[in-house]
Amino acid sequence: DVHLVESGGGVVQPGGSLRLSCAASGFNFGDHYMDWVRQAPGKGLEWVGRIRKEANSYTTEYAASVKARFTISRDDSKNSLFLQMNSLRTEDTAVYYCTRASFGSGTYFFDYWGQGTLVTVSS
Amino acid sequence: AIQMTQSPSSLSASVGDRVTITCRASQGIGNDLGWYQQKPGQAPKLLIFATSNLQSGVPLRFSGSGSVTDFTLTINGLQPDDFATYYCLQDLMYPLTFGGGTKVESK
Repeated sequence: DVHLVESGGGVVQPGGSLRLSCAASGFNFGDHYMDWVRQAPGKGLEWVGRIRKEANSYTTEYAASVKARFTISRDDSKNSLFLQMNSLRTEDTAVYYCTRASFGSGTYFFDYWGQGTLVTVSS
Repeated sequence: AIQMTQSPSSLSASVGDRVTITCRASQGIGNDLGWYQQKPGQAPKLLIFATSNLQSGVPLRFSGSGSVTDFTLTINGLQPDDFATYYCLQDLMYPLTFGGGTKVESK
């Protein structure tokens, strides 16, 4: 079975940093793009960013709201995905989901999601 | 960025009803659209990808249609388990963008 388990959430002050991790199991991690999606309390879903696989040089894409502050990385040898969050703002408060992107019928889609980890940015 | 406008933002329906949710893209996205269901306190779940492809394990009462800018999620014969919030997502162009969500509530 595919499992994605996020960790690393918590309370951090504005301007601080936090690193989220996502442990993947049950599939060939290195074969997939991986994404982060977040959801502020009581709000809708917001895509955060993507990291492609080794065959695509591990290139990344980010939402404008996090670009230059957040960095996505991965360690395929450890089946792990990371989200380094710097210069955190109160508006970054959200549940952060790790998602697996799969490809089919000419498009990508998020077929597996972790349970999410809550990040609270507050003084 | 491509804006995804979902409507309605909420609706009330009864078990057995046919429910239709629409998503309009601010520019053409081909068929690069998916639908997700989210229940309170849970992660979203993929229902449909590439506009009309049913994800494995998703009941046949769910269907998707549309193209270019206008897309529809239909639930034929709403079941108690279907009361949830539904989101569309375009993945043609970065940044990927979700619709604002449609909450389906019990009438």
